[in-house]
Amino acid sequence: DSGVTQTPKHLITATGQRVTLRCSPRSGDLSVYWYQQSLDQGLQFLIQYYNGEERAKGNILERFSAQQFPDLHSELNLSSLELGDSALYFCASSARVVDYGYTFGSGTRLTVV
Amino acid sequence: TQLLEQSPQFLSIQEGENLTVYCNSSSVFSSLQWYRQEPGEGPVLLVTVVTGGEVKKLKRLTFQFGDARKDSSLHITAAQPGDTGLYLCAGASWGKLQFGAGTQVVVTP
Repeated sequence: DSGVTQTPKHLITATGQRVTLRCSPRSGDLSVYWYQQSLDQGLQFLIQYYNGEERAKGNILERFSAQQFPDLHSELNLSSLELGDSALYFCASSARVVDYGYTFGSGTRLTVV
Repeated sequence: TQLLEQSPQFLSIQEGENLTVYCNSSSVFSSLQWYRQEPGEGPVLLVTVVTGGEVKKLKRLTFQFGDARKDSSLHITAAQPGDTGLYLCAGASWGKLQFGAGTQVVVTP
């Protein structure tokens, strides 16, 4: 157990739907990062939050959004889902806004059918 | 297009052999990290290297950061089946961590 909790572990949904992925960071960590991992693209950085504020944005689609709540848990919202959104979505956390090591959760496997 | 290029993409060796995985980029990084990922799990941090030319050893694993902080290598001595996994390098720059595509290592008994 890495200390980073992601739910659900698996999610199957239809195209056009909206889903929410949840992440609880490791105790004491203020930064949360979201990554998407697919076979053809590898691990792609989506977005980072630090203590409730957005800090960095990567290759995140406009259909996707995220937020970090006062208790530091984070949610990634994916809407108007397409087949190509099927992937593993990982959350990672670290103690500081810029850090030298991330702790990853076990991921949420999203399948869009 | 990957900012970090890892080679080889796939490596299959026998137990007891040595192996080296490379991570190259045209960009300079403030730090470089190596992770190992097993199927169905998130990447697990192995090491972080910060200083150009730095060498770190963790048991049978040796990590090196290039002098110009653009490349790195991971060497495993006397590989064991438990070393099987996807090895990912990640470069930190401007607060963002960018990952390479990974090297799949398979060690057979």
